[in-house]
Amino acid sequence: DAKTTQPNSMESNEEEPVHLPCNHSTISGTDYIHWYRQLPSQGPEYVIHGLTSNVNNRMASLAIAEDRKSSTLILHRATLRDAAVYYCILRANFGNEKLTFGTGTRLTIIP
Amino acid sequence: DGGITQSPKYLFRKEGQNVTLSCEQNLNHDAMYWYRQDPGQGLRLIYYSQIVNDFQKGDIAEGYSVSREKKESFPLTVTSAQKNPTAFYLCASRLGVGQLSTEAFFGQGTRLTVV
Repeated sequence: DAKTTQPNSMESNEEEPVHLPCNHSTISGTDYIHWYRQLPSQGPEYVIHGLTSNVNNRMASLAIAEDRKSSTLILHRATLRDAAVYYCILRANFGNEKLTFGTGTRLTIIP
Repeated sequence: DGGITQSPKYLFRKEGQNVTLSCEQNLNHDAMYWYRQDPGQGLRLIYYSQIVNDFQKGDIAEGYSVSREKKESFPLTVTSAQKNPTAFYLCASRLGVGQLSTEAFFGQGTRLTVV
């Protein structure tokens, strides 16, 4: 599986934008980039995904580097409810349903 | 409502006993997954199934077993061979079979404590 690298933890002030980085230098041309987040004592929830172009939805934006070796999840205005562990994952092989998570980035929001 | 359900939410067992965790989905998803999460750690893949009557080992399958006799159900058995079974167990499903862009849906988890 293609690997991703994320910082272990980040802090941000409430109501400010947050940029969560993810490196995936071994990404292949067919890999989609997915982001999930996990609130305390809950299962992860889907945030956003993309292939090549930047993507926006009601939760966040995803900025993908032109060479696709890195991406950034952007929370435009962080709230206390955004405090969670954020996972960046790749779909490795077409037809192989294996879905592997790393350790993610623990985001702390400072009031 | 469509979704994925894990039961029970909390489970206590004595050491040496096998225990089966339930996972049911009514999303008509082909792929289902079991993960283990230890305190402060990420998710580790135990087993996954791409289609009915088929499943593959994940990264930490030793001491666990699964079955996939029905599309909706993917139970996980934690056997007595699992040396450290106390953990938070998460089940997930996704549309699967080549659908690279679709997201996974997770259950709320089962917290297993072995005493």
